[in-house]
Amino acid sequence: DAKTTQPNSMESNEEEPVHLPCNHSTISGTDYIHWYRQLPSQGPEYVIHGLTSNVNNRMASLAIAEDRKSSTLILHRATLRDAAVYYCILRDPWGSGGSNYKLTFGKGTLLTVNP
Amino acid sequence: SAVISQKPSRDICQRGTSLTIQCQVDSQVTMMFWYRQQPGQSLTLIATANQGSEATYESGFVIDKFPISRPNLTFSTLTVSNMSPEDSSIYLCSVPRRGAEAFFGQGTRLTVV
Repeated sequence: DAKTTQPNSMESNEEEPVHLPCNHSTISGTDYIHWYRQLPSQGPEYVIHGLTSNVNNRMASLAIAEDRKSSTLILHRATLRDAAVYYCILRDPWGSGGSNYKLTFGKGTLLTVNP
Repeated sequence: SAVISQKPSRDICQRGTSLTIQCQVDSQVTMMFWYRQQPGQSLTLIATANQGSEATYESGFVIDKFPISRPNLTFSTLTVSNMSPEDSSIYLCSVPRRGAEAFFGQGTRLTVV
């Protein structure tokens, strides 16, 4: 599986934007970039995903570098509820034997939001 | 969004015993996944449970230790057998949806004493 590299931790202030970086220099052409987050004492939840173009949804925005070797998850206005571990994951939807649905989690980035 | 119910939510077990964790999904799914999250660590995939066939285990996980059942398209169980303190972890089930998102249960927090 292609690997991702994220900072161990980041800190933000409430109501300020947060940019969470992810490096994936060995990404393949069919890998989608997925972001999940895990709030304390909960299972991970899906945030956003993309292939080449930047993506926006109600939770966040995903900015993907032109060479696809890095991406940034953007939380436009951090709230205390956004404090979580954020995982950047590459997933190939064309993998065989169920591998297209498997998620390989790295260590993620622990985001702390200060009031 | 999928609703996934896991039982029990937590348990404290004696070493040498076994615990069966249940995962119920609110709609039919072909694949269900079981993950383990050791204290302070990230999630590691244990196995993929397909209805009507044997589960597929990831490297480092074996059927004798983590037997899985998948009797129908909405239910699966994971058993942690002959437990030791090293098995103390959070165990989570997950299902894919819409080809992109994965939904996770709340997890079962297991402590082995």
